[in-house]
Amino acid sequence: EPEVTQTPSHQVTQMGQEVILRCVPISNHLYFYWYRQILGQKVEFLVSFYNNEISEKSEIFDDQFSVERPDGSNFTLKIRSTKLEDSAMYFCASSVSTGANYGYTFGSGTRLTVV
Amino acid sequence: GQNIDQPTEMTATEGAIVQINCTYQTSGFNGLFWYQQHAGEAPTFLSYNVLDGLEEKGRFSSFLSRSKGYSYLLLKELQMKDSASYLCAVRDHRDDKIIFGKGTRLHILP
Repeated sequence: EPEVTQTPSHQVTQMGQEVILRCVPISNHLYFYWYRQILGQKVEFLVSFYNNEISEKSEIFDDQFSVERPDGSNFTLKIRSTKLEDSAMYFCASSVSTGANYGYTFGSGTRLTVV
Repeated sequence: GQNIDQPTEMTATEGAIVQINCTYQTSGFNGLFWYQQHAGEAPTFLSYNVLDGLEEKGRFSSFLSRSKGYSYLLLKELQMKDSASYLCAVRDHRDDKIIFGKGTRLHILP
């Protein structure tokens, strides 16, 4: 079964450093998403991406965050200057469509720890 | 905006049936999803409802009433591996995203 692949699985970084989280969505999917989940809390929407541009973003997704699809396969999330409160599990997801009964397929996540 | 409510925790016995309820408020509605999430893992898609009624998929069924803003996930013949969080999520027809509730942590007792 096709998978969404995320790397690395764990990332530890110092406060103020930049991090890039990488994702390879399912190959025929057109819609891409980043969500995060702080330990013990709910899964929160960050950003959606379609046709090489952001289609929607949440209040969490401020100027410190950016996304990019640098080639035909990768989808990255960059946090420019990490804060302690950015520590969370970050999930990439993709979908073939936003319509009908298409659920999102989530990657296994990157656990980001900011120290 | 959207508001999604579901119980925080539930406990059930192996082999039994459990129903997890979800109520939602949204300005526009374009589908309700149920996801399963084991601790430390990614959410996995269980079901999708956009029309009123019951959708059955093996041991799992999901029901939707749009007029009541209500859904439930029914799990039959519970197994120990069903111990997980169950996330109710809603998509607004104007939005290109799904929003998750806080999840219901289900404990299965032998």
